[in-house]
Amino acid sequence: QKEVEQNSGPLSVPEGAIASLNCTYSDRGSQSFFWYRQYSGKSPELIMSIYSNGDKEDGRFTAQLNKASQYVSLLIRDSQPSDSATYLCAVISWGNQFYFGTGTSLTVIP
Amino acid sequence: DTEVTQTPKHLVMGMTNKKSLKCEQHMGHRAMYWYKQKAKKPPELMFVYSYEKLSINESVPSRFSPECPNSSLLNLHLHALQPEDSALYLCASSQGTGMGEQYFGPGTRLTVT
Repeated sequence: QKEVEQNSGPLSVPEGAIASLNCTYSDRGSQSFFWYRQYSGKSPELIMSIYSNGDKEDGRFTAQLNKASQYVSLLIRDSQPSDSATYLCAVISWGNQFYFGTGTSLTVIP
Repeated sequence: DTEVTQTPKHLVMGMTNKKSLKCEQHMGHRAMYWYKQKAKKPPELMFVYSYEKLSINESVPSRFSPECPNSSLLNLHLHALQPEDSALYLCASSQGTGMGEQYFGPGTRLTVT
């Protein structure tokens, strides 16, 4: 079982729709969770961090964390073609190990 | 604008060459990282320098050698690389010691011929 799992996609949504990206993790003691965006040929860019159960909103992005279900998600409202990228979930485990998921490729169709 | 800079942007080297990748961060962070990323794969952690202490991913071969001259600079020395080492090499930094929010540089695209 991988430490962090994501659906590799590709996920396609129409422009203006809500894109929902999901991530599960195996270490129940994990405390820190991050979402990165990576455009093709570029480096990862930190979008959101979340540490407590519930929702955290930043502009069009909402991160959701459910530690009981070991689940973290990223919602992108009013999706734009410029949101087309690979989204990487990352988790810091109880042992202070940093794990990336395999990433979900998102395409927003104009 | 990224506050983590990496040079060079591109590097082509032969298997007998010795080269170095350079990284500098301007955010006062105390931890710096080297990652390797192959196409359509997530970044793989190679090395961590945190408060002048080096942590190594045991799977990284010895032909990669990190050096941290000071808390804002991180080098990766390359020697006798193999074609399979061709990848995007990413440097990142974070504020504290707990591998928290990491900010990435633009990367060095390395090709080994």
